[in-house]
Amino acid sequence: AQSVSQHNHHVILSEAASLELGCNYSYGGTVNLFWYVQYPGQHLQLLLKYFSGDPLVKGIKGFEAEFIKSKFSFNLRKPSVQWSDTAEYFCAVSPSGYSTLTFGKGTMLLVSP
Amino acid sequence: SQTIHQWPATLVQPVGSPLSLECTVEGTSNPNLYWYRQAAGRGLQLLFYSVGIGQISSEVPQNLSASRPQDRQFILSSKKLLLSDSGFYLCAWSGQNEKLFFGSGTQLSVL
Repeated sequence: AQSVSQHNHHVILSEAASLELGCNYSYGGTVNLFWYVQYPGQHLQLLLKYFSGDPLVKGIKGFEAEFIKSKFSFNLRKPSVQWSDTAEYFCAVSPSGYSTLTFGKGTMLLVSP
Repeated sequence: SQTIHQWPATLVQPVGSPLSLECTVEGTSNPNLYWYRQAAGRGLQLLFYSVGIGQISSEVPQNLSASRPQDRQFILSSKKLLLSDSGFYLCAWSGQNEKLFFGSGTQLSVL
């Protein structure tokens, strides 16, 4: 079975700082990878996803993630965070062709103005 | 500590048959409860959420319904399954701080 590890449980940044949230997964086959975000008071929404092709994936609100197969990683990045990026971020993985989804425990990002 | 139980892990059902998926939470009271679905190759979709017993909000019109007969029990049902109901169903809960905790999921195949 697959598993997902998010290394940072809490991250605190100042506005305009760069962001990188780590995500590693374990699974022996090909995978689909996702980053979800939950803003305060809102429901979970999809930030970006990787199925195949270019390993650098661009999502909404200036976020991007890079799939590095050799490292089993799918780190989320943003060059300059804003206060409105304060949220909980979840990495998730599913085996290609299947819908079974496994989530990491989440990273709470707090951006101070 | 809080735990969330979801069952069954896998389910194969014929078209037109009923469905009942159950989710229970332990170690907390008055949680917010959620049912999500992921279809193969797509992102997660919120189906229902509940902030209290008997209080159900539906996010998308569909062939499914949800009920919360007890504070820590959330049930996803259907009277007649469709092929398009196939997918991976996740239950989740959150407390006052809104952090989500996910169940292990149910893989539903409708044939």
